[in-house]
Amino acid sequence: GNSVTQMEGPVTLSEEAFLTINCTYTATGYPSLFWYVQYPGEGLQLLLKATKADDKGSNKGFEATYRKETTSFHLEKGSVQVSDSAVYFCALVFNAGNMLTFGGGTRLMVKP
Amino acid sequence: ETGVTQTPRHLVMGMTNKKSLKCEQHLGHNAMYWYKQSAKKPLELMFVYNFKEQTENNSVPSRFSPECPNSSHLFLHLHTLQPEDSALYLCASSQVREKNSPLHFGNGTRLTVT
Repeated sequence: GNSVTQMEGPVTLSEEAFLTINCTYTATGYPSLFWYVQYPGEGLQLLLKATKADDKGSNKGFEATYRKETTSFHLEKGSVQVSDSAVYFCALVFNAGNMLTFGGGTRLMVKP
Repeated sequence: ETGVTQTPRHLVMGMTNKKSLKCEQHLGHNAMYWYKQSAKKPLELMFVYNFKEQTENNSVPSRFSPECPNSSHLFLHLHTLQPEDSALYLCASSQVREKNSPLHFGNGTRLTVT
C-alpha cells in the first residue's frame, strides 16, 4: 500500500535558521505530493504541492521538489520565523482519487 | 467566514451522553470527510462522503455515526463513547474528480470524554 514517512520531531531552530523536514513515500505509480501546515488551535492548511516529477512547489518562502528517483519531497525554508512554528504534514494522493495518505507530522518550534 | 466551519470548538461529554458534531462548507465542494487526530498518532481518516453518498468507512466503531444530508453539511453523531475517543475531530472538504484538488479543513472540535 501507499505510505508517507516523515522525520520525527520536534525540530527546534533559532529564528533565521535553515529548515529541512524530510519526507519520503512509498507508492505504486506517480502520486501528487502535498505539504500541509497546522498552526496551534487550527485545522490543516495546504502549504504547497507538486504533481509530477521534478516539479517544485513553493509558498511563503517554503519549497519542496518532487524527486522520483529518491521518492522524496523534502520541505525547505531558507530563514524560519517564530510564526512558522507549527506541525507540518507530508501527504500524497493519486490523481483519480481523493484519498490522501498523510505522514505522521513533524512539529517545528522556532525560538527568537 | 472560513471555508469550512466546525461547531462546537470544544466538547466535554460523559460516556453515556449523546452529542453531535457539525461541519458546514461554503466552498461548493462535493466531497466531505471526517478525520480523527490523536496525540502522538497519525491522522486517521474515518468517513468519506462523495456527492452525499458514503464511500468510505475506515473500520470506525458504530458509536460514531455520520450523516450527510446535503453536500454542504456533515454531522458526526456520538453515543456511548470511551475515554480513548478523546481527540481533535477534523472535518474537510474537496472537489472530487477535480485533478489534484486539495483538502480544505475546518479548525476542528476538541472532544474530551470523561
